[in-house]
Amino acid sequence: QAVVTQEPSLTVSPGGTVTLTCGSSTGAVTSGHYPYWFQQKPGQAPRTLIYDTSNKHSWTPARFSGSLLGGKAALTLSGAQPEDEAEYYCLLSYSGARGGVFGGGTKLTVL
Amino acid sequence: EVQLVESGGGVVQPGGSLRLSCAASGFTFDDYAMHWVRQAPGKGLEWVSLISGDGGSTYYADSVKGRFTISRDNSKNSLYLQMNSLRTEDTALYYCAKEGFDYWGQGTLVTVSS
Repeated sequence: QAVVTQEPSLTVSPGGTVTLTCGSSTGAVTSGHYPYWFQQKPGQAPRTLIYDTSNKHSWTPARFSGSLLGGKAALTLSGAQPEDEAEYYCLLSYSGARGGVFGGGTKLTVL
Repeated sequence: EVQLVESGGGVVQPGGSLRLSCAASGFTFDDYAMHWVRQAPGKGLEWVSLISGDGGSTYYADSVKGRFTISRDNSKNSLYLQMNSLRTEDTALYYCAKEGFDYWGQGTLVTVSS
């Protein structure tokens, strides 16, 4: 089974910009992996921010964006807010859209 | 408003069985595939299983294949996860999620312990 890798932790200053990445042990991440990005705060269920690489839901704050960067999926937060402090998970699909593999998560601190 | 409500969690001994349920509302249930995703205490997310809208296709993570069975009753707008031969490593909060992961339930806790 493929392994999906994320930075264990990152810190960003309020108002700053940070990029989280999501890599695959099988090689470059492409749009064919349909990358998802989720935000999870303590005691809450995950919330989807980005799907299919760069698409946003109606509830996704405009300061979040998704892309492919250097062979990885990327989530960029521009203008970080204190409420963005959370755990962020990516999900990549393999062999079509049959479930997927989550990354280990990135703990983002806004400080 | 889309709602997903899981139930059926509890404490079970290793080797035991448990059946989880997920009651769905606010959308046309049989139009969508459904997922189970779990999260061990203090750990990350793990995709567990997927079932197609008509129930005809099912998929499992290697870690649960042969032990867990996903099913659905579209007449009751309900999703199920039958978990057999439970192991301590199956201890987790189990979430159901709608196709596309746009909606998640709040989870039901399964604890496997002697």
